[in-house]
Amino acid sequence: AAGVIQSPRHLIKEKRETATLKCYPIPRHDTVYWYQQGPGQDPQFLISFYEKMQSDKGSIPDRFSAQQFSDYHSELNMSSLELGDSALYFCATGGENTEAFFGQGTRLTVV
Amino acid sequence: GQQLNQSPQSMFIQEGEDVSMNCTSSSIFNTWLWYKQEPGEGPVLLIALYKAGELTSNGRLTAQFGITRKDSFLNISASIPSDVGIYFCAGYNNNDMRFGAGTRLTVKP
Repeated sequence: AAGVIQSPRHLIKEKRETATLKCYPIPRHDTVYWYQQGPGQDPQFLISFYEKMQSDKGSIPDRFSAQQFSDYHSELNMSSLELGDSALYFCATGGENTEAFFGQGTRLTVV
Repeated sequence: GQQLNQSPQSMFIQEGEDVSMNCTSSSIFNTWLWYKQEPGEGPVLLIALYKAGELTSNGRLTAQFGITRKDSFLNISASIPSDVGIYFCAGYNNNDMRFGAGTRLTVKP
């Protein structure tokens, strides 16, 4: 069965660079959630989208932005990267009356 | 994205012991979900609950959807070392998902 696909799985960037993380949902899932998980930390909610509109916002820095496209995939754009942005970034996708499933995450390392 | 109240925050138990964790909310949810996350991996869905009062098992795991629809618990019986991980609850209403902060479980052999 198709799962939530995140790309890339690993990413190394230098400080002040930009990064784009992608999340491809399970078919017919119209909601996406983004989470950031620092080393040894619990996942922190960043932002969510439903039907291509932002539905909720958490602790997402102003340097980050995200959107959901017409095919329901989502991208998290991160600019002016800082060392503290190094983390695992997860997306989860869900649909009406269905469970949400997580991707395997993107490990971002900022050097 | 506001979090549910999940407790305990962490647990250190001996292999073979039973474990119980719970989630509470001030809001009603139509669905409760429990996930497990292992280091470096994405959370994996363990159990989904759809009806108030529902009790569902998945092997050594048992979860219940509270009768008020504002809470849920997860029990793990006869824990084993591979149960180590972070367990998250989630409440779900019409494309609105709320997660607990997680229970970090350590199992000592």
